[in-house]
Order: sequence, then C-alpha cells, then structure tokens
Amino acid sequence: AQRVTQPEKLLSVFKGAPVELKCNYSYSGSPELFWYVQYSRQRLQLLLRHISRESIKGFTADLNKGETSFHLKKPFAQEEDSAMYYCALSGDGGSQGNLIFGKGTKLSVKP
Amino acid sequence: DSGVTQTPKHLITATGQRVTLRCSPRSGDLSVYWYQQSLDQGLQFLIQYYNGEERAKGNILERFSAQQFPDLHSELNLSSLELGDSALYFCASSVEGQGQTQYFGPGTRLLVL
Repeated sequence: AQRVTQPEKLLSVFKGAPVELKCNYSYSGSPELFWYVQYSRQRLQLLLRHISRESIKGFTADLNKGETSFHLKKPFAQEEDSAMYYCALSGDGGSQGNLIFGKGTKLSVKP
Repeated sequence: DSGVTQTPKHLITATGQRVTLRCSPRSGDLSVYWYQQSLDQGLQFLIQYYNGEERAKGNILERFSAQQFPDLHSELNLSSLELGDSALYFCASSVEGQGQTQYFGPGTRLLVL
C-alpha cells in the first residue's frame, strides 16, 4: 500500500540550530516526493520536490530509495520557518496526479 | 486573486443534510483535486477531475460526489452528512493532471452538528 509516514508530530528547535524533518514512504513503484508547508493562517504551498533538486528557503531534501526516505533538512533554522510541514508522494513517477500525504510535522523554532 | 478560491470558508450544518462546496482553479489550470483533512485521518485525497472528466478516485464515500463544469470550476457535494464528516476540505489545481505542482485553496471548514 502507498503510505507516507512522518514520525514526529512536533519538532521544537532553537533559532540557528539544524533541523531535520523525517519522512519515510512505502511505494512499490517509482514515486515522486514533495514537501508542502503551511504557515499560520496561510494555504498549503509547495516547498520543494525531489525531481527539481532545488534548495528553497535554505531547505533541501534528498530522496534515498534504499531507505525509502525523503527527509527535509536545513542547517540553520529561522523563526519564520515555524509552520506545519507535510511530506507527500505522487505515484508512478508523478504520472498519478493525486498526492498521498503524511500527517504532518509541526516545526516550532524558538528565539 | 488569481489563485485557487473556495467558497464558503465556513459551513455549519446538521446531520442528514446536504451541502455543496465550490472551487475555482487557477486561471489556465485544467485539473482539480479535492482533499479532506481531519484530525485523525490527516490529508486524504478524495477525487480528481481533468478538463471536465473524472481522472482518479481516492477514499471518497458514496455519499459524496463531485463534478467539474465547462468553465473548469468544481463542486463537491456531500449528502446525508454525519458527525464524522466534519473536516477541512481543500481543493487544489494544476495545469495538467500528472506530475504537476498542485496549488491549494484556503479550504472550507465544515462542521456537522
């Protein structure tokens, strides 16, 4: 079955500390992985996708097919990074349009 | 606002009733997706339409139905409502139906009493 797991409901770090938001997936084919972010009172928006290999707002994520993981990392957290982060999967290399979401991790960056 | 719009923002209704949620995609986007977000289930895909045709179905109940109109806006119809249908319903759109970035609306919060 297709599944995305984000093991941490809440992650709290201090400003300037490194951040790693974990995401593991279960999918037998070739998935496309995404990170979506939802800032307070704003809509869900794409942060990055593995296929583009971009670094957005200092965040990066590497797809590890061996470990079936797509962890989100940032070397130095900022207070404005506080938000809900959702890992999502699209099946068949993205040919399946719909997204399968994890339950999300709330990141809190303390001053 | 050229982004995805959803109406209404909030909806309070009673069990057994029927409601319609509306979504207007971004200009130029042909595909519309509906998702349900509840505390216990998280964000779950319900259904996708592409240029007026149903493209994919997820965990959508038989009491729920959707359609996409010629002007590409979409409606999600929820009938025989139960307490457990209380949730945030999101609409998203993309240019095409496969592998494209999805742009989300602000959601409609439904409360069934």
